[in-house]
Amino acid sequence: LAKTTQPISMDSYEGQEVNITCSHNNIATNDYITWYQQFPSQGPRFIIQGYKTKVTNEVASLFIPADRKSSTLSLPRVSLSDTAVYYCLVGDSPRYGGSQGNLIFGKGTKLSVKP
Amino acid sequence: EAQVTQNPRYLITVTGKKLTVTCSQNMNHEYMSWYRQDPGLGLRQIYYSMNVEVTDKGDVPEGYKVSRKEKRNFPLILESPSPNQTSLYFCASSSSGRGGRKLFFGSGTQLSVL
Repeated sequence: LAKTTQPISMDSYEGQEVNITCSHNNIATNDYITWYQQFPSQGPRFIIQGYKTKVTNEVASLFIPADRKSSTLSLPRVSLSDTAVYYCLVGDSPRYGGSQGNLIFGKGTKLSVKP
Repeated sequence: EAQVTQNPRYLITVTGKKLTVTCSQNMNHEYMSWYRQDPGLGLRQIYYSMNVEVTDKGDVPEGYKVSRKEKRNFPLILESPSPNQTSLYFCASSSSGRGGRKLFFGSGTQLSVL
């Protein structure tokens, strides 16, 4: 199972772009990279998922280099409401025969956005 | 509305009094899982289930039981709760579509064991 490492905390100001990097050196060929956002006392919420190169949706972008040993979540123009803990999770695909049920969250990155 | 429903939202109990936290999902997901969250320790997986009647231990299973008799329900059972099980608990389910697992979480159950 690929272990992930993220910075414990990051600070930013409203309107800035924030990049959070996750290291996953022993990622397997069938593993996908998924990012979640969690507000205090709420369950984590799916943000974005990717396998390689770049993925973009309405809230974030995910950059994955060719060796896939790291990934970077990019949040454009953050606001105060983006203050949360962000988790990176690595796991295989159930559709393509993946049987990984033991999904391990790291301790996440606490992002604080200031006015 | 697609959701994972946990009950109760808050629970205060005493040491040794058996309790069950319910979890139900309406998305026909095969995979379900329980996590506990403690300050400074992040989310730790307790048990997971790949399908009906198939359960397996996560990283911190001691003191917990689960069952998966129906696809939609995955209750967490504490046979004899102890104070060190005071925590915030989350249930999650996952689709089996394209790509990796995308977990959908419940709103959480804050448990206090006195």
